[in-house]
Amino acid sequence: DAGITQSPRHKVTETGTPVTLRCHQTENHRYMYWYRQDPGHGLRLIHYSYGVKDTDKGEVSDGYSVSRSKTEDFLLTLESATSSQTSVYFCATEQASSGNTIYFGEGSWLTVV
Amino acid sequence: AQSVTQLDSQVPVFEEAPVELRCNYSSSVSVYLFWYVQYPNQGLQLLLKYLSGSTLVKGINGFEAEFNKSQTSFHLRKPSVHISDTAEYFCAVSGGNAGKSTFGDGTTLTVKP
Repeated sequence: DAGITQSPRHKVTETGTPVTLRCHQTENHRYMYWYRQDPGHGLRLIHYSYGVKDTDKGEVSDGYSVSRSKTEDFLLTLESATSSQTSVYFCATEQASSGNTIYFGEGSWLTVV
Repeated sequence: AQSVTQLDSQVPVFEEAPVELRCNYSSSVSVYLFWYVQYPNQGLQLLLKYLSGSTLVKGINGFEAEFNKSQTSFHLRKPSVHISDTAEYFCAVSGGNAGKSTFGDGTTLTVKP
């Protein structure tokens, strides 16, 4: 267990509003990820970070931005939420010393109405 | 490049029956292999992993998987399933460097009484 905390766990927001999801880890893992999970699409990588202020895009990054100002925190921002961004969002970290084992948070359920 | 194919999207079985969830991968380098389990409304949890050594890997909850390099497979097995094993199972591969993991699309295991 990598001690990953996501907040909020559940959120309902209106189309066009900005939304920020927070991920906090206690294990000092270098790599952190944001995924979204939708029926029929499995896990899709949105953005990832390989260090403080070092981030890169994943396969579904449009409409999302991220920031990592501290090793333990990784923020995902929806600049202007759309209904297509209704999803479950998972934060994850990677333990390189253990064969790149990935640990997941409990998820954030976001509904955009 | 690497990829993961989970050959069955859904696997229904009766309680106490054996089950096998199939996973094939492709990679140009040596790999680490993983199975994760996701119970309803939860994040993914590590079930087991292959890093090196014995090709038969045992995990939590009585699951095991066998790494077959010649067939590029990493199938998950359990000799007798329980209702509580109903969940979605994800196979994943990492090509050695952190930040390079790939997940399969998932297999939904449904155990019927």
